[in-house]
Amino acid sequence: GAVVSQHPSRVICKSGTSVKIECRSLDFQATTMFWYRQFPKQSLMLMATSNEGSKATYEQGVEKDKFLINHASLTLSTLTVTSAHPEDSSFYICSASVAGGQETQYFGPGTRLLVL
Amino acid sequence: EDQVTQSPEALRLQEGESSSLNCSYTVSGLRGLFWYRQDPGKGPEFLFTLYSAGEEKEKERLKATLTKKESFLHITAPKPEDSATYLCAVRHLASGGSYIPTFGRGTSLIVHP
Repeated sequence: GAVVSQHPSRVICKSGTSVKIECRSLDFQATTMFWYRQFPKQSLMLMATSNEGSKATYEQGVEKDKFLINHASLTLSTLTVTSAHPEDSSFYICSASVAGGQETQYFGPGTRLLVL
Repeated sequence: EDQVTQSPEALRLQEGESSSLNCSYTVSGLRGLFWYRQDPGKGPEFLFTLYSAGEEKEKERLKATLTKKESFLHITAPKPEDSATYLCAVRHLASGGSYIPTFGRGTSLIVHP
């Protein structure tokens, strides 16, 4: 099956620093990648949709300048949380759709971010 | 407003006690309904995709069905290892003209031995 990896799996940082999270599709090409945020016992909240080679489409209420998304290739997308604050602490999950497939999303294992 | 509602929020079953989880939706331009399983601290694991009313998919003890307004995930003779949160997602046409996924809040299933 399609495998998606995320790195790092867990990160602790100081308030004001920036954190980069990588999402890779390991055995398929993903024209579209999605970034989600999930709070404890809550569902996934879509933050943005990222298409390879173009700017990401952000959902309402998500700050573009705070959550920088880059989709440089068909197998890699990155999310950078800039000037992180404690309220940015959350579980960030990416997913990737198979190019030309049936739009099924395959999810990464998630990244737990804790901002002190 | 596009919505995806899952019920019940939580479900406790005895091993072997079959039951169903519900996912109802009100969206425009449905382009797939997806079921996922999520274990604590992990990303969702894909289970099924359904595209049209009347469609059914099966995998081991799980069976997903779809109507025009809702989907059911039937669990037959569950085992403790089926304990997880089950998420439903609908891919639909958003106001901006693109297709986006919307997730329900999930059903937390606990199966007691």
